Amino acid sequence: DAGVIQSPRHEVTEMGQEVTLRCKPISGHNSLFWYRQTMMRGLELLIYFNNNVPIDDSGMPEDRFSAKMPNASFSTLKIQPSEPRDSAVYFCASRTGLNEKLFFGSGTQLSVL
Amino acid sequence: AQSVTQPDIHITVSEGASLELRCNYSYGATPYLFWYVQSPGQGLQLLLKYFSGDTLVQGIKGFEAEFKRSQSSFNLRKPSVHWSDAAEYFCAVGARAAGNKLTFGGGTRVLVKP
Repeated sequence: DAGVIQSPRHEVTEMGQEVTLRCKPISGHNSLFWYRQTMMRGLELLIYFNNNVPIDDSGMPEDRFSAKMPNASFSTLKIQPSEPRDSAVYFCASRTGLNEKLFFGSGTQLSVL
Repeated sequence: AQSVTQPDIHITVSEGASLELRCNYSYGATPYLFWYVQSPGQGLQLLLKYFSGDTLVQGIKGFEAEFKRSQSSFNLRKPSVHWSDAAEYFCAVGARAAGNKLTFGGGTRVLVKP
């Protein structure tokens, strides 16, 4: 199993540009999570999906952030327009059920200049 | 709402010495509790988890954690650390409810001296 796959691994963009982060969860996993990690705030849950349906997006910082999960094997996190304070590592994670282990991707390092 | 506090931001320990990382949580009932480790440039890996039963939980890489309800704590321990244990460690709490989400603590960075 390839694990949770995130792309790109690194993204450098200019302020105001649209950024799209991608995630492919492990096949068979029905829950998917997007986290953001910064030195100042640690690891924050942005949004999570169960069976492709967004369950809790209360962690999404503002309307500039949006996430979709069009099918069980793909999710995107979009920032439009991006700002320097969005610079962080964004992690995607997936799991099979409520009590099961969460598998993390390697993360996308986003730098907004 | 649930919350997790890891009081120690950094801990430095000598190789071969014992290690204890503190974790305190806030939750209205008995939560699900987890410890994850993050090596540089990597995602998080589960070390161990507590759902119910024996309050002393054994995990991978020689780690264990003890759930103490009276203290709302779930401290992580290892009797003898190895240089490869240098990483950041995250405690997390999950609600016992449908679609439970994990809330993470701020993390503790462990440095291992030779």
